[in-house]
Amino acid sequence: GAVVSQHPSWVICKSGTSVKIECRSLDFQATTMFWYRQFPKQSLMLMATSNEGSKATYEQGVEKDKFLINHASLTLSTLTVTSAHPEDSSFYICSATSVLSYEQYFGPGTRLTVT
Amino acid sequence: GQNIDQPTEMTATEGAIVQINCTYQTSGFNGLFWYQQHAGEAPTFLSYNVLDGLEEKGRFSSFLSRSKGYSYLLLKELQMKDSASYLCAVRDGGQNFVFGPGTRLSVLP
Repeated sequence: GAVVSQHPSWVICKSGTSVKIECRSLDFQATTMFWYRQFPKQSLMLMATSNEGSKATYEQGVEKDKFLINHASLTLSTLTVTSAHPEDSSFYICSATSVLSYEQYFGPGTRLTVT
Repeated sequence: GQNIDQPTEMTATEGAIVQINCTYQTSGFNGLFWYQQHAGEAPTFLSYNVLDGLEEKGRFSSFLSRSKGYSYLLLKELQMKDSASYLCAVRDGGQNFVFGPGTRLSVLP
């Protein structure tokens, strides 16, 4: 159990366009979803925390108008990178937690390349 | 502020034992996690400590001392496939997960 999916697994887009990444908890209801970004040879950096039905909480330094997060249901959260630039190229990973476990369950990640 | 520290890189020999240390200072504490991450993949859960002491799971063990803000991950009988990054993370008082910089372990034949 406790499977989290992400879609797409990789995406290449042109500078200035927007990209949407979906994160779904497949077999449990996710009370909270986390969005991380990871640059090569670095650790995970938390971007934002989202709870179903409420606005996401963004970490310091993360532009909420650029990284739009929507958590419309207990099983789906989306991250939209608006007006993407090459420096946004990174590995984006979501995770989800439920009230039934102390763990966070990671999605497989999405590799974004902006050209 | 919140801070988690780990060695950046470690090297060990196949069959040996390696200990990866983690020290932390966070706003609140709701457990310490160790993850393994291979390049290009998401982290996978290895262990969880919320009380002081040692948790053993097969070749992997994790220790926690809350009073010292210290944990270690012990890997026994190292295998080549154990070459990966090992991430220490603390769940803070706000229920967020704060990650350390990760330790890149290279296992040599």
